[in-house]
Formats: sequence, C-alpha cells, structure tokens
Amino acid sequence: SQTIHQWPATLVQPVGSPLSLECTVEGTSNPNLYWYRQAAGRGLQLLFYSVGIGQISSEVPQNLSASRPQDRQFILSSKKLLLSDSGFYLCAWQGSRGFTEAFFGQGTRLTVV
Amino acid sequence: AQSVTQLDSQVPVFEEAPVELRCNYSSSVSVYLFWYVQYPNQGLQLLLKYLSGSTLVKGINGFEAEFNKSQTSFHLRKPSVHISDTAEYFCAVRRASGGYQKVTFGTGTKLQVIP
Repeated sequence: SQTIHQWPATLVQPVGSPLSLECTVEGTSNPNLYWYRQAAGRGLQLLFYSVGIGQISSEVPQNLSASRPQDRQFILSSKKLLLSDSGFYLCAWQGSRGFTEAFFGQGTRLTVV
Repeated sequence: AQSVTQLDSQVPVFEEAPVELRCNYSSSVSVYLFWYVQYPNQGLQLLLKYLSGSTLVKGINGFEAEFNKSQTSFHLRKPSVHISDTAEYFCAVRRASGGYQKVTFGTGTKLQVIP
C-alpha cells in the first residue's frame, strides 16, 4: 500500500534562517506531488506541484521554493524565512494514472520567531 | 477554472443531532468532488468522493454526501454526530479528466460537537 511521510512534525526557526521540509512517498511510482500551506480561515493554499522529477510549478509568488530530486521525494525550501512563512505545511500525493483523490501527509507546523 | 465555496466557517451541533455541512462549487466542465476531514495538527483524510453514477455517496464514519448538479452542490450529512466528529471538514473539486488536474479546496468548516 502507499504511504506518505513528512517531517519534521513541528519546527521553530528564527527569522532569516533557512528551511528544508521533506516529503517522501512509498508504494507508488511517478506520483503527482503537492505542497500546501494552511492558514486559519483560509483553507489550503496550493504552493507547488510536480508531475515528475525536476518539474516544479509554482502557484503563488513567495519566499519559498520546491524541488523534486527523486521520483518520490519532494522538498520545500527557503533561503531566508520570514515571519509570514509561519503556518501548517502539508505534502500530498496523487496517482498520475487512474487516481482521483490526493493523499496527505501529517503536516509540519512551522513557527518563525 | 474550478472553485469551491463553504459558506459556514463554523457549525456547532449537539451530540446525536443531525448535521449538514454545505459545499457549492463552480465549474464549466464535469468535476470530481471530495470531502476531507482534518483533526487538530494532522493531515487531511478522505471521507468520501463523487466521481460519477449515483448522486448519493456514502463515506467513512457514517457520513454521506449528495451531488446536485443543478444546484452545483455537494453537501455533507450525518444523521447523528458524535463527539469524535469534532474536526475541520474540507470540500474539494477537480476537473473530471485524465492526467494532472489540480485539486481546489474550500476554506473549511469547523464542526464542533457539543456534549
């Protein structure tokens, strides 16, 4: 069966520090991968999606970047965090063929201080 | 492009009472519809989905939803809620076709079950 791992679960980082959140998927190949940010009252905001290795699409301009170095690995990064980057970050995967719904990781609570 | 509207940001309901969480969508093409549940500090879990066929869809934990194409709605219902149903619920939509299709989420409805 397919599983998705996202870490760390919580993270407190100072303003201006770098960020690296990692997400890996097991039990499937060539998944579509997503990074979402969740803010209170705003639902889920799609940040990045990827349909293949090295293929990244950004939905909104921001202080963050994403990379997909391997088929089942998706990384969210920042060179210098801002206070406004605080939030709950969710990684998700979706099968590229015949699948319809997205499956989510457990999320990372990022607090920038 | 598709969009989803969840009109109620919070819904309080007494335990064992019925509940309906509303979801309306907008799309010029056929869509798939989903409801997800999120417990505090956790990821989202799929409750149910509508792809095609019967407009009444049954999901996990006793929830069901009805697809109404004429009203572009996909409301979530449960006849009798439990304390454990306290969570945030998200409606989502994606285009009903193959390949990559972005999933668009509503802003969520917090269900608070009162003992």
